[in-house]
Amino acid sequence: KAGVTQTPRYLIKTRGQQVTLSCSPISGHRSVSWYQQTPGQGLQFLFEYFSETQRNKGNFPGRFSGRQFSNSRSEMNVSTLELGDSALYLCASRPGQNTEAFFGQGTRLTVV
Amino acid sequence: KNEVEQSPQNLTAQEGEFITINCSYSVGISALHWLQQHPGGGIVSLFMLSSGKKKHGRLIATINIQEKHSSLHITASHPRDSAVYICAVMDRLEYGNKLVFGAGTILRVKS
Repeated sequence: KAGVTQTPRYLIKTRGQQVTLSCSPISGHRSVSWYQQTPGQGLQFLFEYFSETQRNKGNFPGRFSGRQFSNSRSEMNVSTLELGDSALYLCASRPGQNTEAFFGQGTRLTVV
Repeated sequence: KNEVEQSPQNLTAQEGEFITINCSYSVGISALHWLQQHPGGGIVSLFMLSSGKKKHGRLIATINIQEKHSSLHITASHPRDSAVYICAVMDRLEYGNKLVFGAGTILRVKS
């Protein structure tokens, strides 16, 4: 069974640009969560999607958004990039509520 | 005060030693996760538990719900155990699968 796949693995963007990251969950998993990891703040929850609906959202500005498609694949978008958005972005999929999380390898975003 | 506190922050051990990493949390939880992160970023879920004790190979995780405390033990540690170990909790009052993370424990096992 294939694991959680995140693309791209590495990305360099310029301040002010926007970026879209992709996450393909394990087949059959309906929940996809996104997390940001920085040296200063550690791991922080961005949002969770379940059956194409955003179920929970972390404390991030509106520049961070996401969506989930009918095949459970998810994308997150960051608009008007800032230097502080440089981070490792991780997604995790789960089969359902309160079940084990399976993480992708992450996308390392660098904003210059 | 952070919702999830881990100790120690850094730990250096000799190969073969017994290792304990602690996690304390301040909210009522539905589950607690222990995660492992190697250099390069990928995270692996080691355990998810809501009560008692779980064992997988040389790893043991325990949780005391009343005391809001969990421990991760590594028996007969090996250099390949060197990684960051992260405790994360699911607040039982939160809808969905939101995780709140500890700052992590950096473990280095020397041969």
